[in-house]
Amino acid sequence: NAGVMQNPRHLVRRRGQEARLRCSPMKGHSHVYWYRQLPEEGLKFMVYLQKENIIDESGMPKERFSAEFPKEGPSILRIQQVVRGDSAAYFCASSPGAQAEAFFGQGTRLTVV
Amino acid sequence: GEDVEQSLFLSVREGDSSVINCTYTDSSSTYLYWYKQEPGAGLQLLTYIFSNMDMKQDQRLTVLLNKKDKHLSLRIADTQTGDSAIYFCAESIQDTDKLIFGTGTRLQVFP
Repeated sequence: NAGVMQNPRHLVRRRGQEARLRCSPMKGHSHVYWYRQLPEEGLKFMVYLQKENIIDESGMPKERFSAEFPKEGPSILRIQQVVRGDSAAYFCASSPGAQAEAFFGQGTRLTVV
Repeated sequence: GEDVEQSLFLSVREGDSSVINCTYTDSSSTYLYWYKQEPGAGLQLLTYIFSNMDMKQDQRLTVLLNKKDKHLSLRIADTQTGDSAIYFCAESIQDTDKLIFGTGTRLQVFP
């Protein structure tokens, strides 16, 4: 049973471009969470999704950021018109249900140049 | 509000015990967790404790919870160089599924 898979592991984007980060949850997991880790900081919650539904997006910036978890395929975190301040590690976690243990992926390290 | 605080650094000699501390503010926490992050890697769940417990032991790891003071600690016995990493405490808030993380404590183990 493969763990949570995130790709790419590293992503470099120029200011103004779009970044798309993918997360494939563990088999049998229908709950996905995205967290952001700025340099030298802890992880900050961004969004919690179930298949085709956004459950809690209280940590998402109001503009340029969106997330989806379609019926088929991975969860996508999309950042439009990236800025230098978006440079961070973005972690995805999945769980089989609410209040269950969440397993983290290796993260995608986004660098905006 | 929700806030989790940790000291930033801890340095210990190999073979000694390490104690990493964490304080949190939200009294409705259901579970409290300790995660380990090695350089360039994701987070590995080490252990967790339910909020109505005050102690949990798992091999070299001992978690102590003082709910009155909202204080959580992780003790690593016989610390090894492979334990060098950043350790995050996190709390889950009742009726939500998100985790609130501390800023992390960087543990350095020297010979």
